[in-house]
Amino acid sequence: QVQLQESGPGLVKPSQTLSLTCTVSGGSISSGSYYWSWIRQPAGKGLEWIGRIYTSGSTNYNPSLKSRVTISVDTSKNQFSLKLSSVTAADTAVYYCARASELGMDDYFDYWGQGTLVTVSS
Amino acid sequence: SSELTQDPAVSVALGQTVRITCQGDSLRSYYASWYQQKPGQAPVLVIYGKNNRPSGIPDRFSGSSSGNTASLTITGAQAEDEADYYCNSRDSSGNLPVFGGGTKLTVL
Repeated sequence: QVQLQESGPGLVKPSQTLSLTCTVSGGSISSGSYYWSWIRQPAGKGLEWIGRIYTSGSTNYNPSLKSRVTISVDTSKNQFSLKLSSVTAADTAVYYCARASELGMDDYFDYWGQGTLVTVSS
Repeated sequence: SSELTQDPAVSVALGQTVRITCQGDSLRSYYASWYQQKPGQAPVLVIYGKNNRPSGIPDRFSGSSSGNTASLTITGAQAEDEADYYCNSRDSSGNLPVFGGGTKLTVL
């Protein structure tokens, strides 16, 4: 059974960089037709896809966040990471990491981490 | 605003059937996946592809699609189905994932 676990600071100061890591257990991050994503959810609001990385290292980002986001992967540690720069209070949210499986032309998020709350405040 | 549109709230009487819809141009080419989220919990995949349920999801959950609209149907809604439901598919370019705004389901 694949499990994902987010880790990182729960409090980040405005203008600084938010950094989170997702550790994958129960399977290799390098195997299979998957990609690995970050998704966030401000309190009381909906889900927002942030970006994804394939184990090849190829990345795609939400256009609304692209200038501030970097996602990387460390296959030796079975981890992938998120960096979001120049944060403001609007970046306060629960951040989820998730695995996406591909089915033909479609994909779907079949495994999720439990989520971690990141608050941006001085 | 999202490229996938959902009704903000829907209600259903216990044991009755409810349909939650998701509209978007990309749904003419791609299937939606559906996620159930209860308060304080991570989303859970309930439907993917044409109409596939992950292991452990009750068969009262089903999915369908017509034109630019995807639907999640719960046949015989239970109290434990009360949750937020999100659809997910591709953006208008067909390249990137996008979520609908979510539907809050109340079971009366």
